[in-house]
Amino acid sequence: GNSVTQMEGPVTLSEEAFLTINCTYTATGYPSLFWYVQYPGEGLQLLLKATKADDKGSNKGFEATYRKETTSFHLEKGSVQVSDSAVYFCALREANFNKFYFGSGTKLNVKP
Amino acid sequence: DTAVSQTPKYLVTQMGNDKSIKCEQNLGHDTMYWYKQDSKKFLKIMFSYNNKELIINETVPNRFSPKSPDKAHLNLHINSLELGDSAVYFCASSRGLAGGHEQFFGPGTRLTVL
Repeated sequence: GNSVTQMEGPVTLSEEAFLTINCTYTATGYPSLFWYVQYPGEGLQLLLKATKADDKGSNKGFEATYRKETTSFHLEKGSVQVSDSAVYFCALREANFNKFYFGSGTKLNVKP
Repeated sequence: DTAVSQTPKYLVTQMGNDKSIKCEQNLGHDTMYWYKQDSKKFLKIMFSYNNKELIINETVPNRFSPKSPDKAHLNLHINSLELGDSAVYFCASSRGLAGGHEQFFGPGTRLTVL
């Protein structure tokens, strides 16, 4: 079956620190992979995505590379800001299926 | 313009009552979803409709009944509300079956059952 596992939080960093949030997946086909961000009191927003192996998704300084050999899609940012404090969700969707599989979310706290 | 909207944003009600949450998307998407997010932020799929047809129906009590009058709307009706139904409910939509398309989420409805 399909599943997504991401590192448990909360993750607490100081401003300008380097961020990595690990995400690994299990899929029976060839999924597309996504990172979503949820700010307090809001819905989820797409942060970035990658639709095939070796693709790199990037947005707002965040990056993640679709690694088929390690079934991973780790989220990274070189220098976090206080405004990046949010919950981050890794997700996958298999081609030709409408169902999305979400990880459990990782809360990021960035301190000034 | 709001892409996916939900009403109401907050819903406080007593146990045993019946309530509805409405969702509308103006993106022209074929597929809509309902998710439940608990206090630990875990997101659980409940239902999905594709062109008004139910395609995903997870293990959800039959007190929960979705209804899609057209492909732009997906409503959620809950009968005999229980304390454990307290959560944030999110509506989402996406394009058809091609795998690369992401979901767009509404702002959520925070349901509190007293």
